[in-house]
Formats: sequence, structure tokens, C-alpha cells
Amino acid sequence: KNQVEQSPQSLIILEGKNCTLQCNYTVSPFSNLRWYKQDTGRGPVSLTIMTFSENTKSNGRYTATLDADTKQSSLHITASQLSDSASYICVVSPARFNTDKLIFGTGTRLQVFP
Amino acid sequence: ETGVTQSPTHLIKTRGQQVTLRCSSQSGHNTVSWYQQALGQGPQFIFQYYREEENGRGNFPPRFSGLQFPNYSSELNVNALELDDSALYLCASSLKSGTSQNIQYFGAGTRLSVL
Repeated sequence: KNQVEQSPQSLIILEGKNCTLQCNYTVSPFSNLRWYKQDTGRGPVSLTIMTFSENTKSNGRYTATLDADTKQSSLHITASQLSDSASYICVVSPARFNTDKLIFGTGTRLQVFP
Repeated sequence: ETGVTQSPTHLIKTRGQQVTLRCSSQSGHNTVSWYQQALGQGPQFIFQYYREEENGRGNFPPRFSGLQFPNYSSELNVNALELDDSALYLCASSLKSGTSQNIQYFGAGTRLSVL
């Protein structure tokens, strides 16, 4: 069973609209939770990183939230643009000494249409 | 651009062959991690190298091996290729510090096809 589950699997929205992507994880204990954006054929690019004690983190039009009690995170995208079309991957880093092993979700494929 | 470069970009091999993939890390970084990403899936951690030594390994068989060189560049070697090895192989570099919030910067990946 994947330790990081994301929903929805895919999403289509119109340019200018907002959307929220969900992430549920079972990794415990964990050190931090990250959201990455991956364009087709490219490597993932970091959007936000939050420790277990943080509730929210923003990066421009991207806002991530974290509820460590329910083991849920969300990524909210405001005023979407065509360039937001990509896969968004939730990533959890287990709390293991000296290892940066990252556990990736399968991602949400977002398509923004004009 | 992340400053992490991988080569080659695409590669076609046949079952049973061996392959070597290369990664140049971002300047100043001392840690390289390798991931396998099958189509439609999230990346899976293969292993990590820190200061030329393996520093953590995922659930991959011994035919997946790696090296890190004194300049912190890295190689991923896969022996006895199988059809299921077809995937995008991603390399990520980072600077290991006292905290665990080391941002990993990914290369564009090598697309390996095994026929």
C-alpha cells in the first residue's frame, strides 16, 4: 500500500479558477512534507516544504496546508494559469537519521484550459 | 534550470544488457539521490550517495548499483536489464546539512526503454 495517497488522480479546470489538491499519508514519524511540480518530460521542482510543526506555507499562487494530526495536506492553487498544467506530487520525508529518502505520491495530473 | 544534468536523455537497450546513467550535481552539493519513475507513477527511491558512500537504499535488487565521484557527480548502473526496468530515471542533488530540510534539485531524467 502506497504510504502517500493523492486525490484526485486528474483534474481539469479553466484558466483563472482556483483548485485544491489533496494528500493523505501514513508515513510516521515524518520529518517534513513537500509538494513538487513536474512538467511532462522534466524532473520535479520543489514548490513548498513544511515540517510537522507548520500548518501552512505559501509560494506565490501556491499555498500548502498540513494537518499532522489527521495526516493530511492540501495544495491550493489560486488564479490558475495555463503554465500550471503539470503533475503535482506530494512527498513525505520519513524521520530517519541522516537519510533524505523521499516517499512520493503518484501525483495529481492538472490540466488548465483557456 | 536546477543545475543538475543527466545523460543520456534517452536510451534504448535490450533485455539482459547493462546500462550506465550519469548525473552531474549542482555546484556545492554533496549528496545525490537516484529515483525510478514508471509511467503514471511517482518516483521510487533507489539509493542515495553522500560523500562517495551509499547512504540509504530503497527496495531495489543488487543489480542496481551506483557510484559517487570526488566531484560529487554520480553514476547509476543496472545489470541484467529486465523489461520492467523501462522508466524515467531521475537524479537529485542536495547539500546535506544539520537539518532534514534538504531540498533536492532534480535533473530532467534519462528515459530508458528496455526491449
